[in-house]
Amino acid sequence: DVKVTQSSRYLVKRTGEKVFLECVQDMDHENMFWYRQDPGLGLRLIYFSYDVKMKEKGDIPEGYSVSREKKERFSLILESASTNQTSMYLCASRDRGHGYTFGSGTRLTVV
Amino acid sequence: RKEVEQDPGPFNVPEGATVAFNCTYSNSASQSFFWYRQDCRKEPKLLMSVYSSGNEDGRFTAQLNRASQYISLLIRDSKLSDSATYLCVVPYGGSQGNLIFGKGTKLSVKP
Repeated sequence: DVKVTQSSRYLVKRTGEKVFLECVQDMDHENMFWYRQDPGLGLRLIYFSYDVKMKEKGDIPEGYSVSREKKERFSLILESASTNQTSMYLCASRDRGHGYTFGSGTRLTVV
Repeated sequence: RKEVEQDPGPFNVPEGATVAFNCTYSNSASQSFFWYRQDCRKEPKLLMSVYSSGNEDGRFTAQLNRASQYISLLIRDSKLSDSATYLCVVPYGGSQGNLIFGKGTKLSVKP
């Protein structure tokens, strides 16, 4: 089974901090994604990547950046955390033509 | 414009009931779609794929109506453990494209 591992299950950060969310997948998938999920808004795509050092903006990239230096690792960076970035963050990996496999999520609270 | 619409529910049904969810989509030429299941405070997990010919897996049947642009999920003989949110997922842009998630339909199966 594909495994997608997110480094933290719960995080509490202060406003203005730089926050790193890490995601690692073990199936050599080219495609990786970062979503946030909020009640009533569903899953919203932040950034995605089709290959190493490649990144594309999703629907809500403002306030975020990403890094993909190695194929198995896709990092989401909150440059200066704000309270409206309190959310559940989900990383996903995908093989072409198939569905996503998600990590278990990181619940981020910005205070 | 890409849109995936689902009735948010909740659907409250007794054990043993048959329940059906529909999902409508726009502007996708994909050959396969997906249903995901998400338990409370957990990540979405792939339930089943939906092909033009439909798909059946035990108590679960998924159908695709391309002409009317909707996807359905039928659950027979509902179990308490089926209680979850069911997400309809539509691919856009071919095998390399992204998946658009509906906001989900909440199902609650009661004893």
